[in-house]
Amino acid sequence: DTGVSQNPRHKITKRGQNVTFRCDPISEHNRLYWYRQTLGQGPEFLTYFQNEAQLEKSRLLSDRFSAERPKGSFSTLEIQRTEQGDSAMYLCASSFVVRPHGGDTQYFGPGTRLTVL
Amino acid sequence: AQSVTQLDSQVPVFEEAPVELRCNYSSSVSVYLFWYVQYPNQGLQLLLKYLSGSTLVKGINGFEAEFNKSQTSFHLRKPSVHISDTAEYFCAVSELYGNTPLVFGKGTRLSVIA
Repeated sequence: DTGVSQNPRHKITKRGQNVTFRCDPISEHNRLYWYRQTLGQGPEFLTYFQNEAQLEKSRLLSDRFSAERPKGSFSTLEIQRTEQGDSAMYLCASSFVVRPHGGDTQYFGPGTRLTVL
Repeated sequence: AQSVTQLDSQVPVFEEAPVELRCNYSSSVSVYLFWYVQYPNQGLQLLLKYLSGSTLVKGINGFEAEFNKSQTSFHLRKPSVHISDTAEYFCAVSELYGNTPLVFGKGTRLSVIA
């Protein structure tokens, strides 16, 4: 068990560029979550997957944000046409859920820090 | 919808002193409650969680929290802190039996002073 990994750890980009982040969950975890954390705030939920199915995406911040988990293993979060307001830490978490009950323990990765110039 | 209020943004405390980090929540339904810790340059780590049963929950690193339904609180305590406890602490809530995501508070920065 190597924990949740995220790549890259840091990303600096220019406004208007597209960026993609990758998250590798703990193996055999069937749920994968994406959060955004800005300075002085707690993590803010963006979206989550149960295996390859994206069960909630209404919290994605705009239509510039999209996420995939094509084979139910790793996931990618893409931000198109980045804006300075997108600068934040993007966190990924995974968990194993036998039945939906909301009390699953989420294991977080170290995050990807995005800076948009 | 749920919300979480962490009443103190920063808590300085001397080493070996007790500490309490306060958390209040708001929800129209029953909830699960969590405390996570975030060390510098690391991901969040679960300290403890309340799902049901005893309202006093013990977690890792000597931390415990007490669920108080009437006061809608879930305060985190440790009787004697160490320098290594310096970190950001987040309280979070999710809906009982629901597929709702975790809702986090803004965090409390615990600084342990030697």
